[in-house]
Amino acid sequence: LAKTTQPISMDSYEGQEVNITCSHNNIATNDYITWYQQFPSQGPRFIIQGYKTKVTNEVASLFIPADRKSSTLSLPRVSLSDTAVYYCLDSGNTGKLIFGQGTTLQVKP
Amino acid sequence: DTAVSQTPKYLVTQMGNDKSIKCEQNLGHDTMYWYKQDSKKFLKIMFSYNNKELIINETVPNRFSPKSPDKAHLNLHINSLELGDSAVYFCASSQVYGTSANIQYFGAGTRLSVL
Repeated sequence: LAKTTQPISMDSYEGQEVNITCSHNNIATNDYITWYQQFPSQGPRFIIQGYKTKVTNEVASLFIPADRKSSTLSLPRVSLSDTAVYYCLDSGNTGKLIFGQGTTLQVKP
Repeated sequence: DTAVSQTPKYLVTQMGNDKSIKCEQNLGHDTMYWYKQDSKKFLKIMFSYNNKELIINETVPNRFSPKSPDKAHLNLHINSLELGDSAVYFCASSQVYGTSANIQYFGAGTRLSVL
């Protein structure tokens, strides 16, 4: 059973900023928040990870409020190639990643 | 260079057969995993090995037997295949085990179809 909750699907247009929010109501003190991306016929790919506040890399930004009960993945200026399923997870020290249904992002021209 | 590679990419077989899926990682990681993604797209962990030792076994039927000959390889053998085994199987690896900041790297998947 997934520990996180996120929207099933989202639509966007090329060039827009996309924000996907995830609920982490059962996050443990030592858990990190991790986001993966999965394209059709491929395995999940790590995007970004954080513990609290804001993290930014070359692909995305991750915003985590102080209570850590939610997180927001921000994708700047999406393109058609960003169409994929995005998963948010609580990463604990057991090594077990529990994937939910993810958010299917459809980017339109 | 593919970091985590699985073979074969597609596997079509009859019920009752025995088949194996191979996985190799060239990242120098200590820990490897097998996941199953069913038709509803849910990814579920099956097994994990750390330094060739089994550390996670998620109530998978005994017909599934992972084997890790060395740290770089984790193969999955399935006996007496059933229709319900049809799914995409993903191998993954991570640098260490037991840390919350653990990042896993996935292979491209093996699509198994049992007829």
